Amino acid sequence: DSGVTQTPKHLITATGQRVTLRCSPRSGDLSVYWYQQSLDQGLQFLIQYYNGEERAKGNILERFSAQQFPDLHSELNLSSLELGDSALYFCASSGGQRNQPQHFGDGTRLSIL
Amino acid sequence: QQQVKQSPQSLIVQKGGISIINCAYENTAFDYFPWYQQFPGKGPALLIAIRPDVSEKKEGRFTISFNKSAKQFSLHIMDSQPGDSATYFCAASTASGYSTLTFGKGTMLLVSP
Repeated sequence: DSGVTQTPKHLITATGQRVTLRCSPRSGDLSVYWYQQSLDQGLQFLIQYYNGEERAKGNILERFSAQQFPDLHSELNLSSLELGDSALYFCASSGGQRNQPQHFGDGTRLSIL
Repeated sequence: QQQVKQSPQSLIVQKGGISIINCAYENTAFDYFPWYQQFPGKGPALLIAIRPDVSEKKEGRFTISFNKSAKQFSLHIMDSQPGDSATYFCAASTASGYSTLTFGKGTMLLVSP
């Protein structure tokens, strides 16, 4: 058990809809990372937050946004969903210092019908 | 542009054999190279990591070999066991990139009994 909790485990919705994925980091971790895993693109970094502030952005679409709350949990919001957004979305957390290990949750599987 | 290239895509090894997975990178600013293991339905779990100031790191049956001049690193799994059957990802990060990980595409390892 990594200590990172992601909810829900599965999400099925339709094109054009909006969903929110939630992540609770390991106790004591200040940094949260979001990754998307798909068969063709592999694991891709989306965005990182550190202690409530956005720290780094990767290949995140404008339709996607995230935030980290004062209790350090994070939410990833995906809107105007398209079929191609179907993927596994992982959250990872770390202490936030340089190259500290990232611990991954078990992901949310998003299926767009 | 794929910054971390991983091979092979899949690998079948007999129980007791040596599994070898290779990765090559392009960005010379990478300074941290972790390997992750992922079982179906689970998130990636950190296996072992290396920094470029050492050429080899061993933890139990798992060894990372690192060749800075060739910009390559590899994972060796000695005495491979059926329980090692999983997908393995190499990754890399830079200190200036706030430790966000760039992943290889993964290697599906099957250890036959």
